Amino acid sequence: RKEVEQDPGPFNVPEGATVAFNCTYSNSASQSFFWYRQDCRKEPKLLMSVYSSGNEDGRFTAQLNRASQYISLLIRDSKLSDSATYLCVVNEPGSARQLTFGSGTQLTVLP
Amino acid sequence: NAGVTQTPKFRILKIGQSMTLQCAQDMNHNYMYWYRQDPGMGLKLIYYSVGAGITDKGEVPNGYNVSRSTTEDFPLRLELAAPSQTSVYFCASSYSQGARDTQYFGPGTRLTVL
Repeated sequence: RKEVEQDPGPFNVPEGATVAFNCTYSNSASQSFFWYRQDCRKEPKLLMSVYSSGNEDGRFTAQLNRASQYISLLIRDSKLSDSATYLCVVNEPGSARQLTFGSGTQLTVLP
Repeated sequence: NAGVTQTPKFRILKIGQSMTLQCAQDMNHNYMYWYRQDPGMGLKLIYYSVGAGITDKGEVPNGYNVSRSTTEDFPLRLELAAPSQTSVYFCASSYSQGARDTQYFGPGTRLTVL
């Protein structure tokens, strides 16, 4: 089983749609969770951290379910500029800032 | 601030050649990392450093070496390049070991070994 697993997509949605991505992780001791965004042929950039209580940043909402070991990202009112690959990232407990990256979910927002 | 910079942007190597990928950061970050990303895959950690003079192996260190003589620089050395090392290499840095600390990535080096 992969340590961090994501549906690779692609997700093709029209502008204005709501889209949700899920991610599962295998290490129950993981404590930090993130969503990174990676544009085509560019470096990953932090989109948002994921907190236990869930958190929202504008049109983006992240949720964490520790019991089921999954993380979700919800994007409302999709924009063309949201087209990118979204990486689920989980920390590696007990090691110096080692993060495990999922292989990403590709999103294309269509006009 | 320039953030994290990497050179070169692109490189083609022949099998058996060697090269050094350069990485520098101007944010006074203690932690630096080297990742590789193969097509359609997640990032894999090659090496990391928690400060000048201290380095450690990540998930896929074979075929690579690093050094960290200053806080700013963290070069990655490839010895005897192999086609399996064809990938995009990202350098990253972070300030501390805080659980929510952000890693900042450089623009990447695209390496092809033929």
